[in-house]
Amino acid sequence: KNQVEQSPQSLIILEGKNCTLQCNYTVSPFSNLRWYKQDTGRGPVSLTIMTFSENTKSNGRYTATLDADTKQSSLHITASQLSDSASYICVVTLYNTDKLIFGTGTRLQVFP
Amino acid sequence: NAGVTQTPKFRVLKTGQSMTLLCAQDMNHEYMYWYRQDPGMGLRLIHYSVGEGTTAKGEVPDGYNVSRLKKQNFLLGLESAAPSQTSVYFCASSTGVRTDTQYFGPGTRLTVL
Repeated sequence: KNQVEQSPQSLIILEGKNCTLQCNYTVSPFSNLRWYKQDTGRGPVSLTIMTFSENTKSNGRYTATLDADTKQSSLHITASQLSDSASYICVVTLYNTDKLIFGTGTRLQVFP
Repeated sequence: NAGVTQTPKFRVLKTGQSMTLLCAQDMNHEYMYWYRQDPGMGLRLIHYSVGEGTTAKGEVPDGYNVSRLKKQNFLLGLESAAPSQTSVYFCASSTGVRTDTQYFGPGTRLTVL
């Protein structure tokens, strides 16, 4: 079964600290993996999109990595800010289809 | 450039009532989508459209209908609302699917009593 699992479910960190969110997937084959940020009460906003041949992609303080062999991705947030408080969603696209498979997200809270 | 907008933002219905959610995008995107988001679950695709006049079923289409009469608009209809349809509904659009960014609207929070 094609699934996307994220860990941890929730995370609390202090402002200025780094953190890493995990995404494990069983989608096979896949064409790309995306990370979205969703603020409370808002729609998701795209952070990165990586194809199966890419290992890493950055967007400011956000860096996503992908290991297609182990079917794992991570999102690293550097020098966290209060505005990073949000849910982060991992999404995998099934190869050669229009099907996107969403994870349930990691809820990150950054405190001062 | 407003991006993706949704109307209304909130709505409360009684079981059996009908309503239509409107999604509009001003980015000239071909693809549009309707998702629902429930606590503890990932976003689930209800219906989508790959161009004006086309629609296709997603993962959870039962109880919903859609129409794409104009390229910029995508309507989601509930003919006879049920409490199980209480959810937050998101519309999204993109130029394509496989490697393209999806742009999401702000969501509609629907409660069915």
